[in-house]
This record gives sequence, structure tokens and C-alpha cells, in this order.
Amino acid sequence: GNSVTQMEGPVTLSEEAFLTINCTYTATGYPSLFWYVQYPGEGLQLLLKATKADDKGSNKGFEATYRKETTSFHLEKGSVQVSDSAVYFCALSASDYGGSQGNLIFGKGTKLSVKP
Amino acid sequence: GAVVSQHPSRVICKSGTSVKIECRSLDFQATTMFWYRQFPKQSLMLMATSNEGSKATYEQGVEKDKFLINHASLTLSTLTVTSAHPEDSSFYICSASQASGGTDTQYFGPGTRLTVL
Repeated sequence: GNSVTQMEGPVTLSEEAFLTINCTYTATGYPSLFWYVQYPGEGLQLLLKATKADDKGSNKGFEATYRKETTSFHLEKGSVQVSDSAVYFCALSASDYGGSQGNLIFGKGTKLSVKP
Repeated sequence: GAVVSQHPSRVICKSGTSVKIECRSLDFQATTMFWYRQFPKQSLMLMATSNEGSKATYEQGVEKDKFLINHASLTLSTLTVTSAHPEDSSFYICSASQASGGTDTQYFGPGTRLTVL
């Protein structure tokens, strides 16, 4: 079945450090891939997405490339800030998934803490 | 941007009672709303999808008689946990989408922490 696996946290970095959060997926068909971010006390927000192989999603200095050959969608940022501290969720949406249309399948989330 | 609220943010109840959680889209009309459940250090698991004015579609393994979902208007969906038990304690999250079938971006609420004693 379809699934998403992302690296377990927590991840603790110093400000201006390079960030990578690994995400790999298993899916039938051609899923769309997403990164969501959840800041403390708030709901999940879409950070970026990619809908086909080799697409690169980017937003707020974060980027992730849809790699079909390695079934990966790793999140990267060159220089993190304290304000990036949050929980990051990798997700996929597969139109031929046996559940509801538009169903999102989430990874477990990775908590990022950035220290000044 | 699109905002989704949930109420209450936190609720503690006794075993055997029923609890209602509200999900509202504040500045857009939500054709489709989703209800998720999240256990500690686990993924969000979709429980059900509801379209305004029709019955909710439940995911496999989710008891429709225990988790009652009503989507009576384009801005409000409610989840009622009936006869709650300690194993129902969890974090419940809703999301809302403007497009039918949820193929558009989902906007998430902040979640409701349910504790059943």
C-alpha cells in the first residue's frame, strides 16, 4: 500500500545551519508529494509541493525535489532560523488510492528545534 | 489566507460521555472537510471525509456509529465521539478544502486534544 517514511526527530540545529529532513515514499501510480509545517499551537500549513517527477517545490527558502528513481522528496534549507522551529510532515496524495479522492497520507512528522 | 478553526482546543471528559468537536472554515466555503486522528509520535490518520449536505465517507476500520460526522453547512463540520472511552483519547484534526472531492489544497485546523478519563 501507499506509505510515507520520514526521518525521526527531534532535530536540533544552530541558527544558519543546513537542514535536511529525509522523506521516502511507497505508492502505486503517480502521487503528488507535499511538505506541511506545523508551528506551535497552529494547524498544519502547506509548505511546498511537487506534482510530478523532477519537479522542485520551494517556499520560504525551503526546497524539495521529487525523485522518482529513489522515491524520495527530501526537504532542505541552506540556512535555518529560530523561526523555522516547528514540526514538518511529508505527505503524498495518490489519485488511485483506494480511499477518498484527495486523501493525504502523512509521515510521522519531524520536530525541528533551531537554537540561536 | 484560508483559516480553519476548531473548538474546543482541549477537552477532558468521563468515560461513557459524548463529546462534540467543531471545525469551521472562517473565510471560505468548504465543500469538503476531512477528519484526522493523530496518536503521539504517529502519523495523521484519515478517519472520514465529508461533503456538505451528504453522508460522510469513513475509512476502513473507523466506526461510523461511534464517530458521528455532520457537515450541515459550507463552513461547519462537527465530529461527535459517542460513548467515549480512554482508548479514544487522541488529537483530532480537521481540514477543509474548497474543491469537491478534496482535490484542492487542504487547510488544517489547530487540532483538539481529547482526554477520556
